[in-house]
Amino acid sequence: DVKVTQSSRYLVKRTGEKVFLECVQDMDHENMFWYRQDPGLGLRLIYFSYDVKMKEKGDIPEGYSVSREKKERFSLILESASTNQTSMYLCASSLLGLAGNEQFFGPGTRLTVL
Amino acid sequence: AQSVAQPEDQVNVAEGNPLTVKCTYSVSGNPYLFWYVQYPNRGLQFLLKYITGDNLVKGSYGFEAEFNKSQTSFHLKKPSALVSDSALYFCAVSAGNMLTFGGGTRLMVKP
Repeated sequence: DVKVTQSSRYLVKRTGEKVFLECVQDMDHENMFWYRQDPGLGLRLIYFSYDVKMKEKGDIPEGYSVSREKKERFSLILESASTNQTSMYLCASSLLGLAGNEQFFGPGTRLTVL
Repeated sequence: AQSVAQPEDQVNVAEGNPLTVKCTYSVSGNPYLFWYVQYPNRGLQFLLKYITGDNLVKGSYGFEAEFNKSQTSFHLKKPSALVSDSALYFCAVSAGNMLTFGGGTRLMVKP
């Protein structure tokens, strides 16, 4: 079974703090993704990566950056957290190639910024 | 750009009755369509997908979905709902390696 793990289930930070969310997958997937989930808005893509050190902006990259130094690990960074970044963050991975490859999701990190 | 619409925020159904969760999409080219389910405080789990072929796709937990090209729809169905099916359901369409998700539909199955 594919396993995608995220470093924290719940996180509380203060405005202006630098926040790191980490994601690890164990199935040698090339693609990794970061989404945020907000009620009524579904999942919105923040960034994705199709290879080590490669990254592409998604729909809402502002205020976020990412790092992928190893194939299995994809980090989301909030340089200076703000209250409007309070959300559920979901990491996912998939095989590169066909558009029909399903994504496998981690359990999510619920981030609260005070 | 592709998009997905789930017109119902919530669907209520009695246990044992059939259920339908609606999804319509917009995409240029051939659609690759997915359904995911999210149980409370959990990540998303893959249910089923349509790539090509038979318009009726069968997936996990007894769910199925019907692809209708003329109506650009991909509705999720189950013949007999269970209380344990209560969850948040997301429809998604793929372009390249990225998914675009609908806003989600909360399914409530009452005993």
